[in-house]
Amino acid sequence: AQSVTQLDSHVSVSEGTPVLLRCNYSSSYSPSLFWYVQHPNKGLQLLLKYTSAATLVKGINGFEAEFKKSETSFHLTKPSAHMSDAAEYFCVVSDSSASKIIFGSGTRLSIRP
Amino acid sequence: ETGVTQSPTHLIKTRGQQVTLRCSSQSGHNTVSWYQQALGQGPQFIFQYYREEENGRGNFPPRFSGLQFPNYSSELNVNALELDDSALYLCAYGAGGSSNYGYTFGSGTRLTVV
Repeated sequence: AQSVTQLDSHVSVSEGTPVLLRCNYSSSYSPSLFWYVQHPNKGLQLLLKYTSAATLVKGINGFEAEFKKSETSFHLTKPSAHMSDAAEYFCVVSDSSASKIIFGSGTRLSIRP
Repeated sequence: ETGVTQSPTHLIKTRGQQVTLRCSSQSGHNTVSWYQQALGQGPQFIFQYYREEENGRGNFPPRFSGLQFPNYSSELNVNALELDDSALYLCAYGAGGSSNYGYTFGSGTRLTVV
């Protein structure tokens, strides 16, 4: 069985400071992991994905995430927040043998001027 | 623009009615999945189609059904609508019948059941 837990429902940071959005997962198989972003009234956009290659994954807009199997974590980071980063972020786990993907409950990121 | 088109963008239906939502992609990708996103929640996987066959399903009742056509466009049908079916419905396209490559999402159809 698969599951994903986003540890913070809301994160607020000042513009120019680092961002950390936390995600823990559970999977019976070697998982694929993703981060998606959803801006208000917009569809979901893929930020980055881990599919058993390099454990440090770089995505779009300066985001990156590190797969840590020992901690079952896949936290999303960005060195310096920008106002345009304000959005809802979803961590997603996929198990190809089940042909389905499981979304976390989301983390709302707010950026203070 | 993602190249994934959903129609209609908004819809209001009465409890007990049936609804059909549509999705298409310019990409030629052969795998399409559907999700229900209730207000303030993450998307919930409904089902996935690969080359016109359902190859994965989430915890949704049989009154949620789908189709994929030879041109890879897709429909989501919901019968006997309930108030709790009010949500944003998202479709997403990928490749290869697997979810491991990531998906491209449409902007969704906002369904309101009254």
